[in-house]
Amino acid sequence: KQEVTQIPAALSVPEGENLVLNCSFTDSAIYNLQWFRQDPGKGLTSLLLIQSSQREQTSGRLNASLDKSSGRSTLYIAASQPGDSATYLCAAPNSGGSNYKLTFGKGTLLTVNP
Amino acid sequence: SAVISQKPSRDICQRGTSLTIQCQVDSQVTMMFWYRQQPGQSLTLIATANQGSEATYESGFVIDKFPISRPNLTFSTLTVSNMSPEDSSIYLCSGSGAYNEQFFGPGTRLTVL
Repeated sequence: KQEVTQIPAALSVPEGENLVLNCSFTDSAIYNLQWFRQDPGKGLTSLLLIQSSQREQTSGRLNASLDKSSGRSTLYIAASQPGDSATYLCAAPNSGGSNYKLTFGKGTLLTVNP
Repeated sequence: SAVISQKPSRDICQRGTSLTIQCQVDSQVTMMFWYRQQPGQSLTLIATANQGSEATYESGFVIDKFPISRPNLTFSTLTVSNMSPEDSSIYLCSGSGAYNEQFFGPGTRLTVL
């Protein structure tokens, strides 16, 4: 059964700082990994999807990496802004026949202070 | 990417009643899912909504409590039956598209008194 862990649980940084959010997963036989953003009381916004054949994906100030062999993914946010304040969730699929089912980490609550 | 809408966005219900949540996607998706997010927690998968057949439920969730329909590729409903305060959560619908990337609706915030 897939298990996903995110570190740190919370992070507070001043505006402009670069930061890294960490995600680890136990079952490395995945074919993709997805990062989401959730604002308080809202749904999830998909940020980046990394295929197993890729090592990283970039979208604007966001860069996500994937290392299947070590069971780790990182989300790098460059030049953070107060609008980046949200909970960031990492989700990895199960392996085998149920590989469409996602297991979520508990998230990292990010606060960017002006 | 798929755009997913949900109705209602929030509701306050009395114990013992039922609420049906609707989910609409703007394009055909390969699969649709229902999740629950309890206060302060991450997401837990309730079931996979199958078009024209019974949903596939995860351990700990049963059809009598959470009946699900998916009459076509772009629409699904989740009913929370015989509600208790423990059912107070955000319920989220999602759909998967290319490369099994999942997209989520805005969620339905349910409070049971």
